[in-house]
Amino acid sequence: AQSVTQLDSHVSVSEGTPVLLRCNYSSSYSPSLFWYVQHPNKGLQLLLKYTSAATLVKGINGFEAEFKKSETSFHLTKPSAHMSDAAEYFCVVSDPTGTASKLTFGTGTRLQVTL
Amino acid sequence: KAGVTQTPRYLIKTRGQQVTLSCSPISGHRSVSWYQQTPGQGLQFLFEYFSETQRNKGNFPGRFSGRQFSNSRSEMNVSTLELGDSALYLCASSLTSGRAGNTDTQYFGPGTRLTVL
Repeated sequence: AQSVTQLDSHVSVSEGTPVLLRCNYSSSYSPSLFWYVQHPNKGLQLLLKYTSAATLVKGINGFEAEFKKSETSFHLTKPSAHMSDAAEYFCVVSDPTGTASKLTFGTGTRLQVTL
Repeated sequence: KAGVTQTPRYLIKTRGQQVTLSCSPISGHRSVSWYQQTPGQGLQFLFEYFSETQRNKGNFPGRFSGRQFSNSRSEMNVSTLELGDSALYLCASSLTSGRAGNTDTQYFGPGTRLTVL
């Protein structure tokens, strides 16, 4: 069975400083990993996706994540936070065995960006 | 291309009633998945449909059911509503889930917020 652990439930950064949101995964198979973002009262938007190609994945809005198999980690980073980045971020693993797939979500990290 | 749409966006029901939520996937997408989001349990997988067949099911009671139509639109139904069913219900669509090793991205709709009084 697959699972993800988001190590911080809440992260606060100042605008213009780097963002680091941490995620560890567990999967019996070679996983597909995603980061999704959810702004208040909105659905989930895909930030980026890893599917065993390059280990450094670039996403939208300046975010990127690095897949480290030895550490079973998939941390999300951004060099410089913007006020509009304030939202909830979910690390997600897909375990596509058989002919169906389902997503397993982490508990989420709420990112606060202050002036 | 239009995104995933869900109707209604907000719904208020009372205990014991039943409710039907609707999801229209992105054009050309054949797989639809449903998720429940609550503050206590987070995001949990309900079920997935592909070509009108349920392909995968999460750990929810039989009160939760769904179906998919030939045009890929999907509905989920919750019978005998309980207070704990209050949640944001999210629908996601992807291109296909018809083969092993599928890694297609799921695209989410805005959700239906269900309140049970």
